[in-house]
Amino acid sequence: QVQLQESGPGLVKPSETLSLTCTVSGGSVSSGSYYWSWIRQPPGKGLEWIGYIYYSGSTNYNPSLKSRVTISVDTSKNQFSLKLSSVTAADTAVYYCARYVTMIPGAWDYWGQGTLVTVSS
Amino acid sequence: QSVLTQPPSVSAAPGQKVTISCSGSSSNIGNNYVSWYQQLPGTAPKLLIYENNKRPSGIPDRFSGSKSGTSATLGITGLQTGDEADYYCGTWDSSLSVLWVFGGGTKLTVL
Repeated sequence: QVQLQESGPGLVKPSETLSLTCTVSGGSVSSGSYYWSWIRQPPGKGLEWIGYIYYSGSTNYNPSLKSRVTISVDTSKNQFSLKLSSVTAADTAVYYCARYVTMIPGAWDYWGQGTLVTVSS
Repeated sequence: QSVLTQPPSVSAAPGQKVTISCSGSSSNIGNNYVSWYQQLPGTAPKLLIYENNKRPSGIPDRFSGSKSGTSATLGITGLQTGDEADYYCGTWDSSLSVLWVFGGGTKLTVL
């Protein structure tokens, strides 16, 4: 059974960089069948796709966040990570890591439980 | 403002049927598969429907999906109180660059 688990600080100061890691078990980030992604949800609001990374290291980011986002993958640890720079209160959200299957089902089939990151001084 | 438009809320009585719409454009729904996600309170989203109308293993056939042109619809029959959740549609959008977009979400209340 595939499991994803987010980890990282729950509190980040404004203007600093938010850093989160997603550890994957039961599956490999080195597989060419998946995109590994970050998706966030501000409190009481909807889902926003942040971006994804492919096993080769190629990335695709939401244009609205592209200038501040970096997603990387560590195949030796079976993890992928998110860095979001120059954060403000608007970046306060539950951050989910998720797996997208490029073939069937062509959707986000496994999600982490999510981790709340609050941006505050 | 989401690229995909969903009604903020829908409601129906237990045992009844409800539909949730998701409206987009030719750059997203019109040329891509739609998937649907159920988010129960305090939990992560869960894949409900993929490729417009297919159900992953374990999803009951009370849940169905359809697509016509630039709109998609999620249907739920035999409503149960456990179906109370937020529902999101999603698909790829290629208007300027290729990105994934979600609808704004619909809160289902089972009265």
